[in-house]
Amino acid sequence: QVQLQESGPGLVKPSETLSLTCTVSGDSITSYYWTWIRQPPGKGLEYIGYIFYTGSTNYSPSLRSRVSISVDTSKNQFSLELSSLTAADTAIYYCARLVSKRYNWFDPWGQGTPVTVSS
Amino acid sequence: QSVLTQPPSASGTPGRGVTMSCSGSSSNIGSNTVHWYQQLPGAAPKLLIYTNDQRPSGVPGRFSGSKSGTSASLAISRLQSGDEADYYCAAWDDSLNGPVFGGGTKLTVL
Repeated sequence: QVQLQESGPGLVKPSETLSLTCTVSGDSITSYYWTWIRQPPGKGLEYIGYIFYTGSTNYSPSLRSRVSISVDTSKNQFSLELSSLTAADTAIYYCARLVSKRYNWFDPWGQGTPVTVSS
Repeated sequence: QSVLTQPPSASGTPGRGVTMSCSGSSSNIGSNTVHWYQQLPGAAPKLLIYTNDQRPSGVPGRFSGSKSGTSASLAISRLQSGDEADYYCAAWDDSLNGPVFGGGTKLTVL
């Protein structure tokens, strides 16, 4: 079955750029949409953005100025970059598959990777 | 502040049922389908209900969803201690052209 695995640094300094990668196994990344979602400590889920394998993207309005999502079809991976980090970006970051814009549920999810923004 | 509104907490006793709500607007729930996610303590969210009332394979029939107008509900019958989790609703928002979540409801099984 489809599995997603996030990877990246667990600690990043303020003002720097966070880079995370999600590796997809069991399915081709050239199907479906691929999404990043985060969850600050003790808080709810926040949509960050999604990408289609063609490179078409959609970002949350609140993060659009700082976020970039890219895809590498040769590695079956997609990546997140979030710039100008502050402590408010401390969260668990999840990648997930979005079936389509019409069938817009997230399934499955990766296990999540915790990111702390601190000097 | 989440786009979709959920009560922060709900509770019930083992064997009984509980219902939790999710309220939105015409640009999201009112014109799109609703999905529910279950997040057990320390785990990633998992799809529980999709397209208002459909259960993925493996989700017990004790879980059911419904939608009416700009609101949706998740019902859990025959509560078990293992149902203690956070439950999130989500829907596509046509104004934002992207998905939105509720703030989540923390279910306690007394």
